[in-house]
Amino acid sequence: DSGVTQTPKHLITATGQRVTLRCSPRSGDLSVYWYQQSLDQGLQFLIQYYNGEERAKGNILERFSAQQFPDLHSELNLSSLELGDSALYFCASSVHRGSYEQYFGPGTRLTVT
Amino acid sequence: GESVGLHLPTLSVQEGDNSIINCAYSNSASDYFIWYKQESGKGPQFIIDIRSNMDKRQGQRVTVLLNKTVKHLSLQIAATQPGDSAVYFCASQAGTALIFGKGTTLSVSS
Repeated sequence: DSGVTQTPKHLITATGQRVTLRCSPRSGDLSVYWYQQSLDQGLQFLIQYYNGEERAKGNILERFSAQQFPDLHSELNLSSLELGDSALYFCASSVHRGSYEQYFGPGTRLTVT
Repeated sequence: GESVGLHLPTLSVQEGDNSIINCAYSNSASDYFIWYKQESGKGPQFIIDIRSNMDKRQGQRVTVLLNKTVKHLSLQIAATQPGDSAVYFCASQAGTALIFGKGTTLSVSS
């Protein structure tokens, strides 16, 4: 158990809908990272937050957004969902601002039908 | 563009053998490299890391080798066990982001 929690574990929704994925980092970790894992693209970095502020952006679509709250939990919002958004979404956390030794949560499996 | 890749998508070994998983990276500016293990249904788990100013780093049953000249990274697992069966990813850090390779599936048979 990495100490990172993610909810929900599974999510099934229809195209065009909007969903919110939630992540709680390890106790004491200030950085939260979101990744998307699909069969054809592998594990892709989406976005990083550090202590409530956005630090880095990767391959995140404009339809996706995230935020980190004062209690350090983070939410990833996915809107106008398309079939191609079906994937595993992982949250990771680390103590430092840089991405040294990130600890991953169990993931949320999103299925868009 | 920047990429991190693995040479072989699958590797099958016998229990007790040593396993070597290879990875090539393209960004010479990468200063930090990590190996992750992902078991079925779980998130990636940190195994070992190495900084660009090192050639070798050892952990418990694992060794990472870095050859900056040819931009190659390898993970060696000694006395491979059935519990080592998983997908292994190498990742490189450049700035804040981690760039992951596609993964090698290691299968260990008894």
